[in-house]
Amino acid sequence: DADVTQTPRNRITKTGKRIMLECSQTKGHDRMYWYRQDPGLGLRLIYYSFDVKDINKGEISDGYSVSRQAQAKFSLSLESAIPNQTALYFCATSDLQFGGSDTQYFGPGTRLTVL
Amino acid sequence: DAKTTQPTSMDCAEGRAANLPCNHSTISGNEYVYWYRQIHSQGPQYIIHGLKNNETNEMASLIITEDRKSSTLILPHATLRDTAVYYCIVSPLYGGSQGNLIFGKGTKLSVKP
Repeated sequence: DADVTQTPRNRITKTGKRIMLECSQTKGHDRMYWYRQDPGLGLRLIYYSFDVKDINKGEISDGYSVSRQAQAKFSLSLESAIPNQTALYFCATSDLQFGGSDTQYFGPGTRLTVL
Repeated sequence: DAKTTQPTSMDCAEGRAANLPCNHSTISGNEYVYWYRQIHSQGPQYIIHGLKNNETNEMASLIITEDRKSSTLILPHATLRDTAVYYCIVSPLYGGSQGNLIFGKGTKLSVKP
């Protein structure tokens, strides 16, 4: 969805390097998420934020940190990258709708390789 | 763990309807059924969602059984570009405490000429 953008789209880095993945959205949504996907597996939640002042750990937050700079921006950092963090990373946004649905919209993903 | 069961793979002829089933026998009254698809390694794409009633949009139709224990996603005229992994996801109203979607293994749909 073009309303959710991620940079970079591809990144190769070395073990021990610090790296930041960025996500921006123009949908005006309050909620933002970071997921990772490993080959042949489903998406797993790393961090989520329900508004600018709200940051929460997800299922697999160890080795990662995040920053919610504004409603539209949510960044994911790997402080010291390691090879098993090689994966596809997806950002998503959502906003509660009348009736309680919470549809998420995903960015195109960042393919990260840690050597 | 995913709360849904889907066939691992399905084939469909181009131009025909693709009917993708999903079992969610433990669904509760305050949970939606969402369908997403992922084409190759692109970001998951939202297709449709429903609570109790059948739903239709420009992409697909969602048929939910009366007891809500299963549903079927219908792509009325499948094209080669519909080849993807389709995920059926059950999620609480308001997204639940974490708001995340629990992705299972999905159904790999192959549309053939």
